[in-house]
Amino acid sequence: DAKTTQPTSMDCAEGRAANLPCNHSTISGNEYVYWYRQIHSQGPQYIIHGLKNNETNEMASLIITEDRKSSTLILPHATLRDTAVYYCIVRGQGGSEKLVFGKGTKLTVNP
Amino acid sequence: DAGVIQSPRHEVTEMGQEVTLRCKPISGHDYLFWYRQTMMRGLELLIYFNNNVPIDDSGMPEDRFSAKMPNASFSTLKIQPSEPRDSAVYFCASSLAGVYYGYTFGSGTRLTVV
Repeated sequence: DAKTTQPTSMDCAEGRAANLPCNHSTISGNEYVYWYRQIHSQGPQYIIHGLKNNETNEMASLIITEDRKSSTLILPHATLRDTAVYYCIVRGQGGSEKLVFGKGTKLTVNP
Repeated sequence: DAGVIQSPRHEVTEMGQEVTLRCKPISGHDYLFWYRQTMMRGLELLIYFNNNVPIDDSGMPEDRFSAKMPNASFSTLKIQPSEPRDSAVYFCASSLAGVYYGYTFGSGTRLTVV
């Protein structure tokens, strides 16, 4: 699996957009970018994934650069309940089904 | 759907005892994964199954660990004998096949070996 690099921690004010970056400079053409989050003491939760186009769902937006070497997860209006560790993971199509988690970014949303 | 169900939520056992963790995946999901999480090592994939068949057990730490999936609705992770260093939160997850689907994780089992 391609490696990803994320900041260790970030802070965001409640109600503001949270922009979480991820670097995946060695990503291959058939590999997807996935985002999960883990709220304290809970199991990880799937957020969104994409290949090369930007994606949006009810939880977040995913912006992938044209060269696909980096991406940004956007939580448009962060709330205190969005405080969690956010994991950016790269996984290939047609290959292993397994997801390998790194250390992620600890996002703290402040009142 | 009740999601992925794990039991027990908490387990405290003495060193040397056998421990069995249980998981019920989401009905219809093809894949089942067992992860372990500690502060030091983060989330580690132990083993995963496809259609009840173990595919990759390279993450299983040693022979004391074993996992089975006797049918599509049930899996167990067994540690025998348990050691204090096995203390961790163990998560089970399931998913449909293909990159278009995310995993659904259970709430985990917090294991403490004293």
